[in-house]
Amino acid sequence: QSVLTQPPSASGTPGQGVTISCSGSSSNIGGNYVYWYQQLPGTAPKLLIYRNNQRPSGVPDRFSGSKSGTSASLAISGLRSEDEADYYCAAWDDSLSGSWVFGGGTKLTVL
Amino acid sequence: QVQLVESGGGVVQPGRSLRLSCAASGFTFSGYGMHWVRQAPGKGLEWVAVVSYDGSNEYYGDSVKGRFTISRDNSKKMLHLQMNSLGPEDTAMYYCAKSGCSSTNCHMADWGQGTLVTVSS
Repeated sequence: QSVLTQPPSASGTPGQGVTISCSGSSSNIGGNYVYWYQQLPGTAPKLLIYRNNQRPSGVPDRFSGSKSGTSASLAISGLRSEDEADYYCAAWDDSLSGSWVFGGGTKLTVL
Repeated sequence: QVQLVESGGGVVQPGRSLRLSCAASGFTFSGYGMHWVRQAPGKGLEWVAVVSYDGSNEYYGDSVKGRFTISRDNSKKMLHLQMNSLGPEDTAMYYCAKSGCSSTNCHMADWGQGTLVTVSS
């Protein structure tokens, strides 16, 4: 059971928009930045969003992140077939001695 | 550009040890914290450990605490993960990742391609 909760799956058709949620607690999302990673099939994860809503250079502006309280969201607009991937949220967790925690991942299917 | 190349994976018997390595290039290795993250077959990402830029601070995930040790050699631009008392639950792809800053509480900014560890008799 992951510390951060994500829906296991999401889907959309090309051109549509989709949102993936990530729910945590005050010790992680509530008090720290949220990060999003994209993992294309058979490849290593790639940083998609950092510090809640910042995009690394090279990431299209179709991808956006937001955070409110103990929850965060990743929004993808204008879906493309190459967006089909697994998406993970992550945050530092201040409880006990501190650790990084991930969501269980959301498999996005572009229909 | 940042390049991280993991090595040392393979098949190991339960209860044995294994040492993973990660060779870094393309950035000032001694200025950044470094992580290990693993992914069991068909499963999600699990954070394993992080070490600060100078090796003075380390943190571990609960499932590996007391069994795994992260270390670094800044002179050789190498990151290591010593894994002891391995069990089938440690079977996974192990990724090395560069932190977004020098300390231990910064995110995983750049990732290697991973090295596969299989624990089986």
